[in-house]
Amino acid sequence: SQQGEEDPQALSIQEGENATMNCSYKTSINNLQWYRQNSGRGLVHLILIRSNEREKHSGRLRVTLDTSKKSSSLLITASRAADTASYFCARETSYDKVIFGPGTSLSVIP
Amino acid sequence: GAVVSQHPSWVICKSGTSVKIECRSLDFQATTMFWYRQFPKQSLMLMATSNEGSKATYEQGVEKDKFLINHASLTLSTLTVTSAHPEDSSFYICSARDPRSFTEAFFGQGTRLTVV
Repeated sequence: SQQGEEDPQALSIQEGENATMNCSYKTSINNLQWYRQNSGRGLVHLILIRSNEREKHSGRLRVTLDTSKKSSSLLITASRAADTASYFCARETSYDKVIFGPGTSLSVIP
Repeated sequence: GAVVSQHPSWVICKSGTSVKIECRSLDFQATTMFWYRQFPKQSLMLMATSNEGSKATYEQGVEKDKFLINHASLTLSTLTVTSAHPEDSSFYICSARDPRSFTEAFFGQGTRLTVV
């Protein structure tokens, strides 16, 4: 399977709460990226974290990477209704291929 | 920044016809591009790696004769869905990486194909 795992598959929270999504993978990576996709639309790149990095921030987003556990997490703080979307982790392998996880569908309730 | 442009953004075709989707890197040359397919409420599945000047490399389970890939120049890859069937209806997205920098892969806007 290309995809590895992502959890939860679906997440529903109230506006203002934090949302945490997790991603696990099986093979070695060059880097790991997180993307957002609004329904039926293209991808929006959020953060890239390299294999030698452990944590990265961008605005309300925080990504961690644990290569020993082959896992990553995306934290969205102070969520907004506009954050409602699908979120995908995507790992880049040594062959420059980007393989997507199954994704988490996030619903932020106003 | 680097941009990957995909055309068309949507297309409707009749069963049995062929449809061509273009993927262009606008300000960098890409020896390698990637094609993905996404069914509703699912993730992106890598279909194939498009190699400039040589044959594409297809992922397991992807029919080479059905999804023809041509990468004739360093800025253009095309995906042709041949003899389209309704089950080929999907969202197709391409990506490319700027070889000059260690940045993320850039994705096209996607093409929504509907076969009727």
